[in-house]
Amino acid sequence: DAGVTQSPTHLIKTRGQQVTLRCSPKSGHDTVSWYQQALGQGPQFIFQYYEEEERQRGNFPDRFSGHQFPNYSSELNVNALLLGDSALYLCASAVGGLDSGNTIYFGEGSWLTVV
Amino acid sequence: AQKVTQAQTEISVVEKEDVTLDCVYETRDTTYYLFWYKQPPSGELVFLIRRNSFDEQNEISGRYSWNFQKSTSSFNFTITASQVVDSAVYFCALSEGWETDSWGKLQFGSGTQVVVTP
Repeated sequence: DAGVTQSPTHLIKTRGQQVTLRCSPKSGHDTVSWYQQALGQGPQFIFQYYEEEERQRGNFPDRFSGHQFPNYSSELNVNALLLGDSALYLCASAVGGLDSGNTIYFGEGSWLTVV
Repeated sequence: AQKVTQAQTEISVVEKEDVTLDCVYETRDTTYYLFWYKQPPSGELVFLIRRNSFDEQNEISGRYSWNFQKSTSSFNFTITASQVVDSAVYFCALSEGWETDSWGKLQFGSGTQVVVTP
């Protein structure tokens, strides 16, 4: 049973460019969330997608956008990259609510470096 | 305001010693969930345990145990007889609410680096 998979694992971009990160949720999971983790800090919630709609959003500018496809996979897009966007981007997936005994699983992340 | 506080930035122990990680949280919700995740250098967050606000029973799972006390808003985690493979950053996280729309927003502490030396 494959877990949460993310691609690419590492990438380097130049300031001002745009980047797309991809996530395939764990089998059977229908909800995807994205997190940004700067070096030495805890992950910060970016947004959550369920039924192809953005359901919740953290404190991130509109440069950060996303999409969820009918097969539940998701993309994170970041426009006009800044040096401060350099971070590990983590995708998480789950199914149902936490009251159902489910939990949240994370992928290995995409390391983005902006130069 | 920081909702999850992990005051210990780094803990160093010698193999076979016990390690206790502290976590203090803040929430006004009556229903919430608490988690512990382990992050090795590879970056993946590995799920360890979860607890809901209605269940204060403390448990032991293998070498892991946890102490959940609502009265002090604490959710501490202990590794017994530590091993070198336990070296990683450990994060405590809070999810407020319980419906589908709310589970996705985990609020993490700043993490505690655990270093286990042979």
